[in-house]
Amino acid sequence: GAVVSQHPSRVICKSGTSVKIECRSLDFQATTMFWYRQFPKQSLMLMATSNEGSKATYEQGVEKDKFLINHASLTLSTLTVTSAHPEDSSFYICSVIRPGGYGYTFGSGTRLTVV
Amino acid sequence: RKEVEQDPGPFNVPEGATVAFNCTYSNSASQSFFWYRQDCRKEPKLLMSVYSSGNEDGRFTAQLNRASQYISLLIRDSKLSDSATYLCVVNRGSGAGSYQLTFGKGTKLSVIP
Repeated sequence: GAVVSQHPSRVICKSGTSVKIECRSLDFQATTMFWYRQFPKQSLMLMATSNEGSKATYEQGVEKDKFLINHASLTLSTLTVTSAHPEDSSFYICSVIRPGGYGYTFGSGTRLTVV
Repeated sequence: RKEVEQDPGPFNVPEGATVAFNCTYSNSASQSFFWYRQDCRKEPKLLMSVYSSGNEDGRFTAQLNRASQYISLLIRDSKLSDSATYLCVVNRGSGAGSYQLTFGKGTKLSVIP
């Protein structure tokens, strides 16, 4: 299987500050990780695909300068929400492709509240 | 038409009941299909993949109809612990190891004692 650790699980920050979220693949090397966002009662929406050693690929409408992604090693990807605003409050989840290619394994998610 | 569409529910069923969820998808080139389960304020967890021939895992049965672009999930003998939101997930990526997952909004199930 695949074990994915995401940290922190919950964060409250002030408007205008930055927040970093970490996603770690604990038991295998992940060259690709995915970052999703989920608003209440909405579906998961892919924000970006994080590629180890290269630039992330962002989905249309996602500001790459606001949501900074760094995938510096095969086991760690980070998402930094810069200059956070209340509308950025959401559930952020990372995921990796399960070994064998059957679906994704998700991190436990980070609930971000910007006040 | 939405890319992946599900009845949001909620489905409120008594313990022991059989319940079925449906899902339709718009992209006929979609390659693989999954059902995920998401508990309140938690991450989604893979319930099962969906194969063209249909597949069963204990009390859960998944069906795929490519011609109608329709996926279903049947839960028999519902347990209280089955209460969750069930997400229909479609991979429209082509080629081995290519993943472009699209998630439905989910169908909420509440199993009542």
